Amino acid sequence: GQQVMQIPQYQHVQEGEDFTTYCNSSTTLSNIQWYKQRPGGHPVFLIQLVKSGEVKKQKRLTFQFGEAKKNSSLHITATQTTDVGTYFCAGPWAAGNKLTFGGGTRVLVKP
Amino acid sequence: DAGITQSPRHKVTETGTPVTLRCHQTENHRYMYWYRQDPGHGLRLIHYSYGVKDTDKGEVSDGYSVSRSKTEDFLLTLESATSSQTSVYFCAITQGSGGYEQFFGPGTRLTVL
Repeated sequence: GQQVMQIPQYQHVQEGEDFTTYCNSSTTLSNIQWYKQRPGGHPVFLIQLVKSGEVKKQKRLTFQFGEAKKNSSLHITATQTTDVGTYFCAGPWAAGNKLTFGGGTRVLVKP
Repeated sequence: DAGITQSPRHKVTETGTPVTLRCHQTENHRYMYWYRQDPGHGLRLIHYSYGVKDTDKGEVSDGYSVSRSKTEDFLLTLESATSSQTSVYFCAITQGSGGYEQFFGPGTRLTVL
């Protein structure tokens, strides 16, 4: 079946630094989504990418969809303590509006 | 938060007892989902529903059953709870058709002793 993998599993970042987390799918995706889960909270939808090579920005977050539509990345610029949480990517599989989630990247920020 | 509530929010139970978790939505969405979240495994789909009385299995459905007799309610039942089912359970919905983005409820933390 479809697998979605994320690296790294953990990311310790100094406040103010940049970092990137990566998402790789075993199959070509029609779209890829990113979610953020704050500690103790529930996943919250951030963005969806649909086109090959698409790049979207949300303030300090930059999302990219690979040319082959099998990978994606999330780059955070000038990390802040508000960025703490786990970031998940997810891709649709089969029919019925189902998603396969990656294992997530847990981001810890050192002030 | 797309009007999704889950009950109970926390539950402690003993091995072998039946447990039912409830997901309630107020906006008439067609698709509803149950996930479990465990450290190192992300979110894994247990069951989902694409309409009243229309349900199907996800990737980790063993030991779980679901029912959806009304659009607004999606119930997850553990017929005989085991310690391996200790987890955080999230319900989610998809708004409309075409887009796949999901909106999650607040979660239920279940501990099976």
